[in-house]
Amino acid sequence: QKEVEQNSGPLSVPEGAIASLNCTYSDRGSQSFFWYRQYSGKSPELIMSIYSNGDKEDGRFTAQLNKASQYVSLLIRDSQPSDSATYLCAVTESSASKIIFGSGTRLSIRP
Amino acid sequence: SAVISQKPSRDICQRGTSLTIQCQVDSQVTMMFWYRQQPGQSLTLIATANQGSEATYESGFVIDKFPISRPNLTFSTLTVSNMSPEDSSIYLCSVEVTASTDTQYFGPGTRLTVL
Repeated sequence: QKEVEQNSGPLSVPEGAIASLNCTYSDRGSQSFFWYRQYSGKSPELIMSIYSNGDKEDGRFTAQLNKASQYVSLLIRDSQPSDSATYLCAVTESSASKIIFGSGTRLSIRP
Repeated sequence: SAVISQKPSRDICQRGTSLTIQCQVDSQVTMMFWYRQQPGQSLTLIATANQGSEATYESGFVIDKFPISRPNLTFSTLTVSNMSPEDSSIYLCSVEVTASTDTQYFGPGTRLTVL
């Protein structure tokens, strides 16, 4: 059973600080990695995708990928109360055209 | 990305009945997916719907319970049949716009309550 593991949280971070979210995956053949944000009562929204080792930056968000260690992380700089949400890590399954989702990390930004 | 709509947005149904959920995309896509998200849980893939072929179901989901149609490249339906309270969940469709990136975009979801 291929798995994607995340700390469920809640992760509480003060406003303006850096929030760090981590994810590990079991499928060594996975090639595509995603972070989705889900507000309560809403559907998941794609915020970052990453396909190669290293860092990828988009505004306040940085995704980091280390395939050798099988982990993906998401950094949110200058955290805002509007960043409070559940963040889902998602990884493609190497043997099929589908994505496996982690259970999500609940992030709370305190003023 | 893509603009995805789902109907209905929510419904309350009696046990033993069936509900069909529609998913419409504003552009042609090859891959469409149906997920279930139970309260406080992550997303579970029900099936992959490809145009022109039968849907591919994940372990634990069967066609008799969740029949899927995919008549063209912009539309799909998921039916939840013979419902029980355990089927109360959010049902989400997603689409893969560009096959080479595996990226999926989600519709707004259908919140189903079965009494």
